Amino acid sequence: EADIYQTPRYLVIGTGKKITLECSQTMGHDKMYWYQQDPGMELHLIHYSYGVNSTEKGDLSSESTVSRIRTEHFPLTLESARPSHTSQYLCASQTGDYGYTFGSGTRLTVV
Amino acid sequence: AQSVTQLGSHVSVSEGALVLLRCNYSSSVPPYLFWYVQYPNQGLQLLLKYTSAATLVKGINGFEAEFKKSETSFHLTKPSAHMSDAAEYFCAVSDTPNTDKLIFGTGTRLQVFP
Repeated sequence: EADIYQTPRYLVIGTGKKITLECSQTMGHDKMYWYQQDPGMELHLIHYSYGVNSTEKGDLSSESTVSRIRTEHFPLTLESARPSHTSQYLCASQTGDYGYTFGSGTRLTVV
Repeated sequence: AQSVTQLGSHVSVSEGALVLLRCNYSSSVPPYLFWYVQYPNQGLQLLLKYTSAATLVKGINGFEAEFKKSETSFHLTKPSAHMSDAAEYFCAVSDTPNTDKLIFGTGTRLQVFP
C-alpha cells in the first residue's frame, strides 16, 4: 500500500490552463522531490524541499513552481500549461538513508 | 558531476535465464548507488542500494548487484528470470551519505519470454 499519493493519475488539459499536481505523504518525511520523466529518458529532478517553507529548483529547469506549507503536502503548479509540459511527473519522499518512496505518478498531456 | 550510464535500453531473456542489467557510474567521490524498478503505470520501487558497506548487495525479488570500483560498475543480476520481472529498471547515484537528490540513468526495459 502506497504511503505517498499523487493525484490525478492522468490529466489531459488544454494549452494555457493552470494546473496543480497534488502529492501527499503520510510518513512524516522532511525531504520531498519532484521528478519529470519522459518516455525512454532518465528522471530529471525539477524541485525539492527539505522541510516546511523550504523549496529549491532541481537540475532540470522547469516553468513549474512548488510550495511546502505542510510537511505532508508538496504540490506542483503550472500557471500556463503548454504542450512542451507533456510528461510524467513523479513525486518522492525520503528520510535518512532508506532511499526514496515514490508515488504512482501523474501523466500529464497538454493539447 | 555524478552520472550513471545504463548500457542497453532493452534486454530480453527467456524465463529461467540469467538477468544482467548493466550500470556504470561516474563520480568524483565515493558513490552511493541504487537500483529501482518501475512496473507499468506505477512509481519506482527500491530494489537495493550500495552505501559503502559490503560490495555485494542483495535486494528484493532475488536481485543482487556488485559494486566494482576498478570497473566503476554496479551491474544488477538475477540467476533465474521470472515473467513477473518484466519492468523498467533504473540505476541511480548520489554523492551524499543521506542519498539526497538522486541522479538516474535512462533505464533498461527488461522483457521476459516464456
